[in-house]
Amino acid sequence: SQQGEEDPQALSIQEGENATMNCSYKTSINNLQWYRQNSGRGLVHLILIRSNEREKHSGRLRVTLDTSKKSSSLLITASRAADTASYFCATDLNRDDKIIFGKGTRLHILP
Amino acid sequence: DTEVTQTPKHLVMGMTNKKSLKCEQHMGHRAMYWYKQKAKKPPELMFVYSYEKLSINESVPSRFSPECPNSSLLNLHLHALQPEDSALYLCASSRSGGRTEAFFGQGTRLTVV
Repeated sequence: SQQGEEDPQALSIQEGENATMNCSYKTSINNLQWYRQNSGRGLVHLILIRSNEREKHSGRLRVTLDTSKKSSSLLITASRAADTASYFCATDLNRDDKIIFGKGTRLHILP
Repeated sequence: DTEVTQTPKHLVMGMTNKKSLKCEQHMGHRAMYWYKQKAKKPPELMFVYSYEKLSINESVPSRFSPECPNSSLLNLHLHALQPEDSALYLCASSRSGGRTEAFFGQGTRLTVV
């Protein structure tokens, strides 16, 4: 089952620009996570935001969560070539063990 | 050590073969996961083990059989697979299930011929 819907599905920007990806979900959650995946290999955890938090920062990453709209956004500032990857949001569907991924955004940073 | 190790990295098997995928973590995480991922698609949850017991089976066909021999190891036994089962199989672990971050292995690229 899929929970999150990211948009856009694909995004190409110039190096140095900011990239924004959005995630919408359908059911109540305890938390929402963002992951990065390079070249179809393992996923790397980026940030976790709990349902009672509205914004969280980690380095060049900024995540917001709006539980009333069931949506989240991931902002990557000052993008670099190494940020080229697929980005997925993931939610727990308010069940302790589940981690369900959205469809993902493929981000391409142009030199 | 924040590593999840999966073996093998690549596997080619015939439809009549039996093979196993292995996953190991030494972080003391209580939850371990198997995901299946097709090209340009998100990871799809297959199984979750919590404290070495199967807690979630997402209606996966019986030709996939998970096993958790101990708190550090997770296996996925494969038998009579179909070509459409070809995919990247990812293992992950998490300290507290969906409430904490998951650590992923690099995956096993499975091709069924």
